[in-house]
Amino acid sequence: QMQLQESGPGLVKPSETLSLTCTVSGYSISSGPHWGWTRQPPGKGLEWIGSVYRSGNSYYNTSLRSRVSMSLDTSKNQFSLNLRSVTAADTAIYYCVRIKWIPDYWGPGALVTVSS
Amino acid sequence: QSALTQPPSASGSPGQSVTISCTGTSSDVGGYNYVSWYQQHPGKAPKLLIFDVSKRPSGVPDRFSGSKSGNTASLTVSGLQAEDEADYYCSSFAGDNNVVFGGGTKLTVL
Repeated sequence: QMQLQESGPGLVKPSETLSLTCTVSGYSISSGPHWGWTRQPPGKGLEWIGSVYRSGNSYYNTSLRSRVSMSLDTSKNQFSLNLRSVTAADTAIYYCVRIKWIPDYWGPGALVTVSS
Repeated sequence: QSALTQPPSASGSPGQSVTISCTGTSSDVGGYNYVSWYQQHPGKAPKLLIFDVSKRPSGVPDRFSGSKSGNTASLTVSGLQAEDEADYYCSSFAGDNNVVFGGGTKLTVL
């Protein structure tokens, strides 16, 4: 049974970089198809952040493209998210997902608060 | 890309059926048969209910069904139960490796 688990700091200061890792168990990320991240601000709806393919190519929401990067580490069966120059508007629950055209498997989510 | 349009709320009594709509464009819902629906209870991650417009993952009751006509997809919950009270989100593949979500619908079981 595939499981995804987010990890990383729960508090990030404004202007700094938010970094999260997703560890996948029960499935090899090399098998794909794709892996990605979504987020949900408190009390609000879901937002697509982007995805990274097993080839290493990545694709991002146009509204975040200038600040986001994603990567895979197949040796650790993990993938990661970096979001630069964060503001309070980036406070959200961040979910890592497997993508088969649309997200099908989800991690439990990690709340990241941007505050000084 | 713009979010898909869902009604903010829906309701029904136990045993009744409720349908939630999800309207997009020909660039997302209308252009691909990769529409999905998720159920989210408070404090929990979204759970996949429907994928590829009308397919159910193993373990999802057949009370949940999906369909699509043109640029609008729909989720129907039949035989409403108390535990169906949750937020429901649609999503669609939107080309160019993008995914777009709906704004969410809060379903209340009266």
